[in-house]
Order: sequence, then structure tokens, then C-alpha cells
Amino acid sequence: SQQGEEDPQALSIQEGENATMNCSYKTSINNLQWYRQNSGRGLVHLILIRSNEREKHSGRLRVTLDTSKKSSSLLITASRAADTASYFCATDAEGAQKLVFGQGTRLTINP
Amino acid sequence: EAQVTQNPRYLITVTGKKLTVTCSQNMNHEYMSWYRQDPGLGLRQIYYSMNVEVTDKGDVPEGYKVSRKEKRNFPLILESPSPNQTSLYFCASSFSGGQGAYEQYFGPGTRLTVT
Repeated sequence: SQQGEEDPQALSIQEGENATMNCSYKTSINNLQWYRQNSGRGLVHLILIRSNEREKHSGRLRVTLDTSKKSSSLLITASRAADTASYFCATDAEGAQKLVFGQGTRLTINP
Repeated sequence: EAQVTQNPRYLITVTGKKLTVTCSQNMNHEYMSWYRQDPGLGLRQIYYSMNVEVTDKGDVPEGYKVSRKEKRNFPLILESPSPNQTSLYFCASSFSGGQGAYEQYFGPGTRLTVT
């Protein structure tokens, strides 16, 4: 089935550094979304990028989408300890409402 | 406050004892969905509902039932729970219509242990 796959599975950086996570998917999409999950809690929506968009910003977040490569990246600039969480990409299929989630990237920000 | 609520948050039960996990949203969303999250497997969709009285199977529906009698509620029913249903469960909701999936709002999760 269509699935977003995040890379790397785990990432550990120092506070203040930038964090980049990647997502690849298999089939054509309407949009791609990124979510954050703090340990054991519900997912929180971060950003949605449509298939006709190439880049989107929200605060310290920057998302890119390359539909020719079926990939997306999430950049968190000037990381903070509070950014420690798991990050998931989620894709839909053209014409569908269903979201399919990847397995996530576990991000740790060291003080 | 816009939110998705789930109850109970934690549940320990025994094999075969029927249980229901409730989910309610106050955002007038048409679309509601149940996921389970297991280590190494990510989030997998169990069932979803496009609107009242419209439900459909997700990727892992075996052993689960749902109903959507009211727009705001989408309970998950385990008729005869088994240990392999031990998991962290999330309910989510969103608007629907138009092209593509909308932003989903997630509940806080229900941690279920079946012994």
C-alpha cells in the first residue's frame, strides 16, 4: 500500500542546530502532511503542502515537496529542547480522504 | 476549545471481555478515523467514517467494529479482545470533501492492554 517512509529513523542534534527529516512515498498524491508526536501523546498537525506547491514555511518549519522524486523534507531551524518528539509524514492518494502515515523520525535535541 | 476526546485513556482487560472505546469531537467534522500505533509499525488505520452511517474498513479492521450514529461520536468496539490487540489507539477527525485529505485532529490516545 502507499506509504510515506521517513529517513532517518532517529536523529540526535545539539540545541540551536537545524534538523532535517525526509519522507518518500510511492504513488501520486493530493497533498502531504507533517505531524509531531510527543511521547505517547496524540499527533499534532504541523503543516500541509499540496502537490502543486514546492515549498512552504511555518515559523521555524520549512517543508519542501518534489513530486517528480516523490519525496518531501521537513527542516526545523534553530532547534529547541521542546522540539524533541517523533515526526511523521502522511500522504493521501489522489481522490481519497485517507491518510497513510510513515513510521516516523525520532528527533532528540540535546541541551 | 476544539478537541477530540477519548475514553478511557488507559484500560487493562482480559481476553474475550467486550469493550468500547469512545471518541467524540466538537468541530462538526465529517471524517473520523481510528488508528492503532505499535512499535516498529507506525500508525495503521483500523476503520474510518466519511459521515453519519457511512463507515469503511481501513488497513487492519479484523477484530474491531465501529458505528457512526451521530456526527460527533465514533466508538470503537472490541467484541472479543485478544492479546494481539494490546496497543495505543488514536481517534482522529477532520473535514472532508474537495480534493485530498484535510488536517486531522487527534485525540490523546487510549492505551489498551489485553491479558
